[in-house]
Amino acid sequence: DQQVKQNSPSLSVQEGRISILNCDYTNSMFDYFLWYKKYPAEGPTFLISISSIKDKNEDGRFTVFLNKSAKHLSLHIVPSQPGDSAVYFCAASLGGYALNFGKGTSLLVTP
Amino acid sequence: DTAVSQTPKYLVTQMGNDKSIKCEQNLGHDTMYWYKQDSKKFLKIMFSYNNKELIINETVPNRFSPKSPDKAHLNLHINSLELGDSAVYFCASSGDGFNYGYTFGSGTRLTVV
Repeated sequence: DQQVKQNSPSLSVQEGRISILNCDYTNSMFDYFLWYKKYPAEGPTFLISISSIKDKNEDGRFTVFLNKSAKHLSLHIVPSQPGDSAVYFCAASLGGYALNFGKGTSLLVTP
Repeated sequence: DTAVSQTPKYLVTQMGNDKSIKCEQNLGHDTMYWYKQDSKKFLKIMFSYNNKELIINETVPNRFSPKSPDKAHLNLHINSLELGDSAVYFCASSGDGFNYGYTFGSGTRLTVV
């Protein structure tokens, strides 16, 4: 059973505009959420995280929003750059060990 | 100076063989993991070790056996390989807290023919 879902397999955005990647989860006990970025033939790299006690975390061009009542989080990238083109994985943790990953959203930023 | 390194990067082998994938981290992390990314692109936890002790063992066939000789190494041995074992296997490590997330290796693409 998939507890973390990314319903959009792909997203295309023009350079300079905002990219919004969405993620839904089913387990209300998750206490930490993370976003990873993955290029082909490489391992996922950590991007940004948010604790369940917060509703927003910002790091440069990247902002993660958490809506616990809707069990939804989103990653905003502003402004989007061609180098942001990658697969983005949403992940959730319960108790600090294993991560539950979504299936990923492939972002393409076009010039 | 790779933080989490896995070898080999590619592995092609026949059904029924036994193979190992090695993982080493130089980050001083206490916890190491094996994840499997299948053909549907799901990343799923297989095992987790904390200071050489097994703490997570998801529903994985007994043919998969992790071994942690020390906290910087977590190897994965697979017996009697099957076609369905074909996947990308990622090793990862983490320290205290989740502020910086896991650090993943670059993956080992295993193809069983």
